[in-house]
Amino acid sequence: EVQLVQSGAEVKKPGESLKISCRGSEYKFPSYWIGWVRQMPGKGLEWMGVIYAGDSDTRYSTSFQGQVTISVDKSINTAYLQWSSLKASDTAMYYCARSKSAYYGMDVWGQGTSVTVSS
Amino acid sequence: DIQMTQSPSSLSASVGDKIIITCRASQSVGTYLHWYQQKPGQAPKLLIYTASTLRSGVPSRFSGSGSGTDFTLTISSLQPEDFATYYCQQTYSIPTYTFGQGTRLDIK
Repeated sequence: EVQLVQSGAEVKKPGESLKISCRGSEYKFPSYWIGWVRQMPGKGLEWMGVIYAGDSDTRYSTSFQGQVTISVDKSINTAYLQWSSLKASDTAMYYCARSKSAYYGMDVWGQGTSVTVSS
Repeated sequence: DIQMTQSPSSLSASVGDKIIITCRASQSVGTYLHWYQQKPGQAPKLLIYTASTLRSGVPSRFSGSGSGTDFTLTISSLQPEDFATYYCQQTYSIPTYTFGQGTRLDIK
């Protein structure tokens, strides 16, 4: 079964760094884009950015450029989303999702990683 | 960035009803428009891609149409499992693949 499996829930303090992961299985990982989506509590979906697993070509949403870093290690079929200095406003559920191309939308989603930032 | 506006924001309906959700883009997105369903506590699921192509395994009561700036998602006969929140997303304009704000579908 094609899957994206995300790392577990995190509780952090403001100012701390964090890197969450998304591991793909049962498909040709380097041939797909991996996107990241934020969902703040009780709110809608927000597009953060996307990376092509084959060559690490990365595109950030204008709202998230400079706020997060997206990376990939195709040798272990894993994409990452990281923060260097968390804020309380980063508290949210974060989803990864794959896409073959813009034509096909995001067809497989991870289960989500909950990030809580609180002092 | 392209803005996506869904209407209505919420909708109450009964099992068996036909419902239509609309999604309007602030500029043309061609047919690079996709629909997702999200249930509480779950990740979103892709229902329809490129405006009108039903994803494999999705019931045929779901359909999509439109191009350019105006799109619709139709559920022909609501089933209990369809009560959820629905989002449109454009993937025409990289890097910001904007989502609509969502339409919450509740049982009347």
